[in-house]
Amino acid sequence: AQTVTQSQPEMSVQEAETVTLSCTYDTSESNYYLFWYKQPPSRQMILVIRQEAYKQQNATENRFSVNFQKAAKSFSLKISDSQLGDTAMYFCAFMLPFSGTYKYIFGTGTRLKVLA
Amino acid sequence: NAGVTQTPKFQVLKTGQSMTLQCAQDMNHNSMYWYRQDPGMGLRLIYYSASEGTTDKGEVPNGYNVSRLNKREFSLRLESAAPSQTSVYFCASSWSLGFNYGYTFGSGTRLTVV
Repeated sequence: AQTVTQSQPEMSVQEAETVTLSCTYDTSESNYYLFWYKQPPSRQMILVIRQEAYKQQNATENRFSVNFQKAAKSFSLKISDSQLGDTAMYFCAFMLPFSGTYKYIFGTGTRLKVLA
Repeated sequence: NAGVTQTPKFQVLKTGQSMTLQCAQDMNHNSMYWYRQDPGMGLRLIYYSASEGTTDKGEVPNGYNVSRLNKREFSLRLESAAPSQTSVYFCASSWSLGFNYGYTFGSGTRLTVV
């Protein structure tokens, strides 16, 4: 089965500190793409960072970085210097082939609250 | 601002009623999608459209129909709403199917069927 597991339903962090959100996934595919999306209270899903499974180098995007462990099927998100605007639901997802197209497999999300 | 626009943002329906959720994008994207988001289940693909004039079923198409009216617009129709269709619905678009630089999502429609 192709699944994404986010084991932390809720987390909180003090402003300016660092927090890591966990994500594990299961797939038999060898080539896929991994994503973290942010969903603030406005509900819009916003792409935070992406990682290509065939690349060993971890992706970074400003204060956001990932720790990608392909063998362990782990894809955690680290947020450095947390800001109040980072308060949101965070979804881990991967994209893989599906019936002639591609589909996302999303996790159930981690609700992150940044405290002032 | 460029992006994906969904209407309405909120809707309450009675069981058996019909309605159409509207989605429009102004980024000249070729592919469009409808997802539903349920608590504890992440997002699931309902239907997608690879390009203007084509539509295909996703993971959970039962009870829904779609129309790709033109390149910009992709609507989702519930012919006879059921309480199991209570959910948040997201439209998304991308340059091509499986565009692995990510999709652009709308802000969602919260639908309640009573």
